Amino acid sequence: QKEVEQNSGPLSVPEGAIASLNCTYSDRGSQSFFWYRQYSGKSPELIMSIYSNGDQEDGRFTAQLNKASQYVSLLIRDSQPSDSATYLCARSGGGGSYIPTFGRGTSLIVHP
Amino acid sequence: ETGVTQSPTHLIKTRGQQVTLRCSSQSGHNTVSWYQQALGQGPQFIFQYYREEENGRGNFPPRFSGLQFPNYSSELNVNALELDDSALYLCASSTPTGVSTDTQYFGPGTRLTVL
Repeated sequence: QKEVEQNSGPLSVPEGAIASLNCTYSDRGSQSFFWYRQYSGKSPELIMSIYSNGDQEDGRFTAQLNKASQYVSLLIRDSQPSDSATYLCARSGGGGSYIPTFGRGTSLIVHP
Repeated sequence: ETGVTQSPTHLIKTRGQQVTLRCSSQSGHNTVSWYQQALGQGPQFIFQYYREEENGRGNFPPRFSGLQFPNYSSELNVNALELDDSALYLCASSTPTGVSTDTQYFGPGTRLTVL
């Protein structure tokens, strides 16, 4: 079982819609969770970090964490074509290691 | 931009050769991690350096080695290159500050092609 699972997509949404990206993880000791955005041919860019159960909002982005169910999600409101990218989920902590492990990413396409 | 720099941007090598990739961490960051990202995959952790010492290693063979210098810049060396080593190599810097210990800030990456 992979440590971090993401649907590779692509997830296609119309401009202005809410995009919902999901991620599950296997290590119950995980403490920190991250969402990165990666444009094609570029390096990952941190969007949000979340450490506690519940929702955390930053502009159009909302990260949701549910440790009991071992999932973390990212909502993008009012999606724009410029949001089209691959979104990487990562977790760290647990077993004494604070080195993040990444999922393979979900490709998001926002069409006009 | 994160302030993490990497060189070179692109590199083409042949099987069996050796390569050195370089990274300068963001100002104030004393920890550098290296990742390999194959096409369509997430970044895979190679190793991490903290204050010039290796601080963790992923599932990579010994021909992948590294170094961190007193100014916290770092090198990744790969010997006896194989075709499967073709990937984007990412350097990320971070600093141990409470719960943000593990937030990684990535450089632009080095695209390595092995022919």
